[in-house]
Amino acid sequence: DGGITQSPKYLFRKEGQNVTLSCEQNLNHDAMYWYRQDPGQGLRLIYYSQIVNDFQKGDIAEGYSVSREKKESFPLTVTSAQKNPTAFYLCASSMIFQETQYFGPGTRLLVL
Amino acid sequence: GIQVEQSPPDLILQEGANSTLRCNFSDSVNNLQWFHQNPWGQLINLFYIPSGTKQNGRLSATTVATERYSLLYISSSQTTDSGVYFCAVGQGGSEKLVFGKGTKLTVNP
Repeated sequence: DGGITQSPKYLFRKEGQNVTLSCEQNLNHDAMYWYRQDPGQGLRLIYYSQIVNDFQKGDIAEGYSVSREKKESFPLTVTSAQKNPTAFYLCASSMIFQETQYFGPGTRLLVL
Repeated sequence: GIQVEQSPPDLILQEGANSTLRCNFSDSVNNLQWFHQNPWGQLINLFYIPSGTKQNGRLSATTVATERYSLLYISSSQTTDSGVYFCAVGQGGSEKLVFGKGTKLTVNP
């Protein structure tokens, strides 16, 4: 089955720790995106990538980093510089940049 | 930046009822998408509809780009329609979709 997978489903971070969220797609999509969702809110764009080895900052990139070494994979690292990381993180992909986006199931990040 | 407002914020229906959700945006767009987020957090793309009208089963959507709004119609609602419906818009040359805050729909049996 084609789709987008995210892992883990739940992630706990200690103060000062960097954590990495995984996003993999087998849809052969060129573009991939990371969003953050806070309770009762819409989604905000963290980073996006239109093609392998290229990525751009979104609205709220501070405290986050990404890489795009493979077409299928777009991992997100939440660094210790992100002071309020508790949120629901969603990864998406699309065939062409900003065309119809398809989402993974999300990762809930909690701070201990 | 562009503003996206969705109404109503909350909607409670009985199974079988029809509903209309609205999305207003503050500037011209060339990308508009409707999503449904189920109670477990999964987002499903319903429509890519920067203009015109589309239908998919019990759901249909209309975007009037010149008047800066889009409508999502749900007919004969079912309990599985419950969740949050998001509208997201993008502008020419822009790198991002801007999401509204959503309409939370509850369909009671």
